[in-house]
Amino acid sequence: KNQVEQSPQSLIILEGKNCTLQCNYTVSPFSNLRWYKQDTGRGPVSLTIMTFSENTKSNGRYTATLDADTKQSSLHITASQLSDSASYICVVSAKDSSYKLIFGSGTRLLVRP
Amino acid sequence: NAGVTQTPKFRVLKTGQSMTLLCAQDMNHEYMYWYRQDPGMGLRLIHYSVGEGTTAKGEVPDGYNVSRLKKQNFLLGLESAAPSQTSVYFCASSWGDPRADTQYFGPGTRLTVL
Repeated sequence: KNQVEQSPQSLIILEGKNCTLQCNYTVSPFSNLRWYKQDTGRGPVSLTIMTFSENTKSNGRYTATLDADTKQSSLHITASQLSDSASYICVVSAKDSSYKLIFGSGTRLLVRP
Repeated sequence: NAGVTQTPKFRVLKTGQSMTLLCAQDMNHEYMYWYRQDPGMGLRLIHYSVGEGTTAKGEVPDGYNVSRLKKQNFLLGLESAAPSQTSVYFCASSWGDPRADTQYFGPGTRLTVL
């Protein structure tokens, strides 16, 4: 069964600190993996997208990594800011289904001053 | 550009009532989607459309109907609301196949069914 598991479920860090969020998936055959940021009361917004051949992609202070062999991805946030407080959602798509994106349940990050 | 907009933002229904959620996008996207988001779960696809006049079932279509009469609009209908349909509903759109193209999401509609 295609699944996306994220950890931790929630995380609290102090402003300025770094953190890493994890995503494990069992989707096969794999097409690509995205990380979304969802602010409270808003819709998700895409941060990065990675295909099978990419193992690192950055978007400002956000760096995503992908290990297609172990089916793991991580999202690293550097020098966190209060505005980073949000849910971060890992989304994996399969090659054999055009519409079906498998969404993780997200990691809720709270950055405290 | 407004992007993807949803109407209404909040709604409370009684069991058995009906309603329609409206999604509009001004990006000329071909693909549009309706998702629901429940606590502790990932977004689940209800219905989607790959172009004007087309609709297809997603992962959790029961109890919902959709229509795409105009390219820019995608309507989600609940004919007889049930408490299990209490959720936050998100509309999204993309230029093409979501495996390749980014989905843009609306702000959501919070629906409570009593």
